[in-house]
Amino acid sequence: DVELLESGGGLVQPGGSLRLSCVASGFSFTMSAMSWVRQAPGKGLQWVSGISPTGGTTSYADSVKGRFTISRDNSMNTVYLQMDSLTAEDTARYFCVRVSGILLLFPMFHWGQGTLISVSS
Amino acid sequence: QSAVTQPASVSGSPGQSITISCAGSSFDIGAYDHVSWYQHHPGKVPKVIIFEVSKRPSGVSDRFSGSKSGNMASLTISGLQAEDEADYYCDAYTPRGTRVFGGGTKLTVL
Repeated sequence: DVELLESGGGLVQPGGSLRLSCVASGFSFTMSAMSWVRQAPGKGLQWVSGISPTGGTTSYADSVKGRFTISRDNSMNTVYLQMDSLTAEDTARYFCVRVSGILLLFPMFHWGQGTLISVSS
Repeated sequence: QSAVTQPASVSGSPGQSITISCAGSSFDIGAYDHVSWYQHHPGKVPKVIIFEVSKRPSGVSDRFSGSKSGNMASLTISGLQAEDEADYYCDAYTPRGTRVFGGGTKLTVL
C-alpha cells in the first residue's frame, strides 16, 4: 500500500523557518512526481509546490514562491519542503501528495495524513 | 483567494441530484483536460472522485460524474446519500506548470 508519512511540523515564530519531510513507501518513488498541498484552518485546499521525479523541475504557488523550496532525495524516498520567512498566513496542515505519474499534471490519488504548521509569536 | 470559483455551499435531499460548478479561465480549467474533483470529509484525507474531467477511479460510485465546457467544469452527484455530505474541490493543472484548487463547496444532505 502507498504510504506517505510527513514530519517536521510544529510552532514557529513569524519570520522563522521550518523543513517538512515526507517519507514515501509502497510505490516506485522515482517514477512519481510529488506535491505539497496545504489547508489553513477553516479554509480550502491550496496547492503549494510540486517536483518532478528527478528533482530537475519544480513549481510553486505564487504565494510561496521565493520563500519555499521543494526538493527530494530519491535514495531515501523522501521529499522535503523548506519553508522560510514564514508568516501567519502559512499556518495550515501540509499534506504530502503522490502524483500518479512522472508529470505534475497527473491525478493526485494518494495523500499523507498531513503535518500541522502554526506560525505565531 | 482562489482564481477558480466554486459555490460555497450546495444542498439536496436524499435521492436528488446536485451539480457543483467550478469556474475558471483559459489559464486553468479551460487550458487542459487535467481537471480533478476531490471529496473531503473533515478529519480525513481528500479522495479523488473524478480525474481528467470525467474519469472515475476504481471503487468510486457511478453516482459521481464530471464534465467540462470551456472554462467551466462540473461535478454531478446523483441519488444523493447521507455519506456524500462533505467538502468538494476541483483542481486543475495550468500551463504555468502549477496546479490550482477551487475554493471548495460544502455539500449538505438535508
